[in-house]
Amino acid sequence: AQTVTQSQPEMSVQEAETVTLSCTYDTSESDYYLFWYKQPPSRQMILVIRQEAYKQQNATENRFSVNFQKAAKSFSLKISDSQLGDAAMYFCAYRIYNTDKLIFGTGTRLQVFP
Amino acid sequence: EPEVTQTPSHQVTQMGQEVILRCVPISNHLYFYWYRQILGQKVEFLVSFYNNEISEKSEIFDDQFSVERPDGSNFTLKIRSTKLEDSAMYFCASRGDLRSYEQYFGPGTRLTVT
Repeated sequence: AQTVTQSQPEMSVQEAETVTLSCTYDTSESDYYLFWYKQPPSRQMILVIRQEAYKQQNATENRFSVNFQKAAKSFSLKISDSQLGDAAMYFCAYRIYNTDKLIFGTGTRLQVFP
Repeated sequence: EPEVTQTPSHQVTQMGQEVILRCVPISNHLYFYWYRQILGQKVEFLVSFYNNEISEKSEIFDDQFSVERPDGSNFTLKIRSTKLEDSAMYFCASRGDLRSYEQYFGPGTRLTVT
């Protein structure tokens, strides 16, 4: 069974600092996508970043980057220069390449302090 | 920027009643989804819908649930006889085409079954 585990229920970071959210997953598939979604208090989930499993290069989107370790089945999110607007629930998610179903982790609540 | 919208934002219903949750996906999208999030738990996939039929569903999506695209714009989730355990946040999502990877989520409908 495919599962996604986020071991940090809550994290906090000071404004302008860097924080890393961890995610591990379990799968026997070789082709899949990994995602990080942000869910602000308004509750609409927004895609932050994605990674295709076949790509060795780690994805980067502005201040957001991932550390994808395929052999270890690890997919962490690094947020650099944290801003107050980064405060949200962050969900790691997984999708097998030829299916539609997103499998989510339990989420990490990120607090950003000024 | 186009968005997925959902109505109502909050629905209260009595156990055993039928409820219909409504979604308007992004207009040129072809793939549609329902997910739910019971309070404090992870987001769970319910069903995906393409070309006017269900393409994938989870074990949660039993005979009490149905989905429909009654016209060119709406996508609905019906729960025939609600149970207390159906209380959750229900998210609709849509995706553009086979090549696109991102599922765009709506803000959710909070369903409370009393």
